[in-house]
Amino acid sequence: SAVISQKPSRDICQRGTSLTIQCQVDSQVTMMFWYRQQPGQSLTLIATANQGSEATYESGFVIDKFPISRPNLTFSTLTVSNMSPEDSSIYLCSVGGVSSYNEQFFGPGTRLTVL
Amino acid sequence: GENVEQHPSTLSVQEGDSAVIKCTYSDSASNYFPWYKQELGKRPQLIIDIRSNVGEKKDQRIAVTLNKTAKHFSLHITETQPEDSAVYFCAARSPKAAGNKLTFGGGTRVLVKP
Repeated sequence: SAVISQKPSRDICQRGTSLTIQCQVDSQVTMMFWYRQQPGQSLTLIATANQGSEATYESGFVIDKFPISRPNLTFSTLTVSNMSPEDSSIYLCSVGGVSSYNEQFFGPGTRLTVL
Repeated sequence: GENVEQHPSTLSVQEGDSAVIKCTYSDSASNYFPWYKQELGKRPQLIIDIRSNVGEKKDQRIAVTLNKTAKHFSLHITETQPEDSAVYFCAARSPKAAGNKLTFGGGTRVLVKP
């Protein structure tokens, strides 16, 4: 399986600021996803990062709040903008293929605390 | 869209006993069902998956069964050990889903008591 890394692994930020999280994969992957996992909760898909085009956002998530870039098949960024304490969560990138049978793997996550 | 429900939300078992986690899904077109294990502070890790053309799959102490008619699938862990303590998530994927996305269940916190 692909080796996935994320930076930063954790951060503490002030409300009103923005944080950009990076996801790097050691091989080219077709699909990259960004998830949010709040404490004790399941995995919620924020958006699918599309290479060379705008990300596809899930209901309840908007580009102005969570802008995403995907300049190539091995890298993506998620920005959490104008943060509030409610944005405190773990953010995970995930990679997979285009077939419905393809496995999907997760990065180590970024633990964000907003004060 | 797809909806996945997972039960129980917590499960406590004695070491050596079996653990069973059940999930139901709503989209009859779903054809891929992975299970993830997430230890405290770690990323979710894929431990086993099953495709819709298979009824059961085993890997050492873990097995997954699928009942397409009833639209439910289960994870079975036999001879549980303390290192099996974790949160387990089931998921389902439908070929109709835009972007090939997985839909996750709510998770089951498993505690194996020594």
